[in-house]
Amino acid sequence: NAGVTQTPKFRVLKTGQSMTLLCAQDMNHEYMYWYRQDPGMGLRLIHYSVGEGTTAKGEVPDGYNVSRLKKQNFLLGLESAAPSQTSVYFCASSYPMDGPRGTQYFGPGTRLLVL
Amino acid sequence: EDQVTQSPEALRLQEGESSSLNCSYTVSGLRGLFWYRQDPGKGPEFLFTLYSAGEEKEKERLKATLTKKESFLHITAPKPEDSATYLCAVHTRGSGGSNYKLTFGKGTLLTVNP
Repeated sequence: NAGVTQTPKFRVLKTGQSMTLLCAQDMNHEYMYWYRQDPGMGLRLIHYSVGEGTTAKGEVPDGYNVSRLKKQNFLLGLESAAPSQTSVYFCASSYPMDGPRGTQYFGPGTRLLVL
Repeated sequence: EDQVTQSPEALRLQEGESSSLNCSYTVSGLRGLFWYRQDPGKGPEFLFTLYSAGEEKEKERLKATLTKKESFLHITAPKPEDSATYLCAVHTRGSGGSNYKLTFGKGTLLTVNP
């Protein structure tokens, strides 16, 4: 099992450019999440999905969009990148959080620099 | 608003010097408390889940405990390879009945010197 994988590992964008971050999991998890991690801020939830075809906003959704067309994939899009979106992005997945196996497992992260 | 505070922000130990990390929380309706380890440039790695006050879990040199207001991560006789950032997160019922919500603390950076 590869667990949770993320593509790309590192990317540099210019302000106004767009990009898509890809997350894939092979654990058959229903739930998937996108977080960002900034120095001194801790992990903050951007968007999440409780199943194929469904998405919802987290704490800091502005400037991001997501799609969950397949159970194993969760895409995070930046339509017009801003320097404030410079961060490390983590994807996670889990079984339903209320169940006995409700633990979130994280990917290795994507480091994004917006100039 | 749910709050999670970890202390200290940074801790430097000598190899073999036992200590504890603290995670205090103010939440409505705790459903579980998670500990993760994060190495530089890597994603958080799951360590433990605690569900109720009085519960304890152990893994090698680490032991996590939970009370109604805080959790401790005890590190016994640490080794340099235990150096990492340790993150605490609480699972609460989100607004509107959603059950996804994890609130993370900012972490404790542990350095163990040989």
